Parts: sequence; structure tokens; C-alpha cells
Amino acid sequence: EVQLVESGGTLVQPGWSLRLSCTASGFTFGDYGMSWFRQAPGKGLEWVGFIRSKTYGGTTEYAASVKGRFDISRDDSKSIVYLQMNSLQGEDTAVYYCTRLRGVSQWPPQYWGQGTLVTVSS
Amino acid sequence: DIQMTQSPSSLSASVGDRVTITCRASQGISNHLAWFQQKPGKAPKSLIYAASSLQSGVPSKFSGSGSGTDFTLTISSLQPEDFATYYCQQYNSYPLTFGGGTKVEIK
Repeated sequence: EVQLVESGGTLVQPGWSLRLSCTASGFTFGDYGMSWFRQAPGKGLEWVGFIRSKTYGGTTEYAASVKGRFDISRDDSKSIVYLQMNSLQGEDTAVYYCTRLRGVSQWPPQYWGQGTLVTVSS
Repeated sequence: DIQMTQSPSSLSASVGDRVTITCRASQGISNHLAWFQQKPGKAPKSLIYAASSLQSGVPSKFSGSGSGTDFTLTISSLQPEDFATYYCQQYNSYPLTFGGGTKVEIK
């Protein structure tokens, strides 16, 4: 059974940094691209970014709203994908979801974690 | 960026009703369209990919159609567990973008 468990969400002040983790199980983690999405309170879904598998270079893509501030990385030996968030602002307040793609490099996401809440407030 | 427009933004329906939600892309996206279901306080659930293919385990009462710019999600016979918010998403090009959602409520 595929499982994705996010952790690291908490309350931080504007300008601070935070790293989220997503621990995966139930599949060969290194074979799959992984993506992060977020949902601000009472709002719709927003794509944050994506990291390809090492087979496809392990490269990343980001939404314009986070590019240059957020960084996605992966540790295939631990089956974890990270979301490093810097210079956090109020508009980054959201539930952050980790997802696994449908195929090794095939969108859309098929599996979602339960989400972790990040609150940015002074 | 490709804009995704869903309609309606909300609808009221009864158990047993046939429900159709539409999604329009601001430019052609071939069949690179997915649908998701989200219940309050829960993570989204993947329903459909490639506009009309059901994700594994999704019941056949859900169906999708369309190509290019116009797409539909149909629920053939609405059941109590189907009351939720539904989102379309294009994955034809980055940045990936979502429709605004359609909230399906009980009449």
C-alpha cells in the first residue's frame, strides 16, 4: 500500500525558514517523480513544485510564486522528499500535500499524503 | 500560464441525480486533464487522468470526457459519499494549474 506521510508543519514568523518532509512507503521511491501542492485556508489547490526521479535527472520545477524561495530535494536511500521553504510570508500559510505521480514520470499525481499545516504569522 | 475555468462553482443535487461539471482551458491541452475529489478536512483524491481514464479503485459511476479545451466530469448516480468539492487540473505544461473547484451539495 502506497503511503505518504508529511511532517514539519508548524507556526513560524514571516521571514523564517522551514523544512517539510514527506516519508514514502509501499513503492520503489527512487523510481517516481514527487510533487508538492498546497491549499490555503478556505481556498483551492495550488501546485508548488516537482522533482523528477534520478533516472530523469532529479531536476525540479516550481510555481512562480515560490521559485527562488522554495527548494525540493530527495533522499532516495531514506524514501523522503523535502520541501525547504525560505523567506516565508503570510500568503504561504496553507496545508502542504506531498504527492506521488501516477507513473515514474507520468502526471498527474495519483497518491496524496494527509497534509501538514504551515502557518506564517507574527 | 494556462487558466482553468470550472462551472458551476457550486451545485445542489439529490441522491440518485446525474451530475455534470465542466472545465475549460484557456488554450488547448490535448487530453492532459485530471479530476480530483476533496472532502472537508481531507486530502484530495485522484479520480481521473488523461481526461477519461479512471484511477485504480475509482468506481465507474465517475466518467470524464473531452479534449483540447473543453472537458466534463459526470457522476452517473450521486450517492451520499459523493458530496464533496471537485477540481480539474491541467498537466499539459508548467505551471500546473487547477480550476477553482465545484462544490457539490445535498439538495
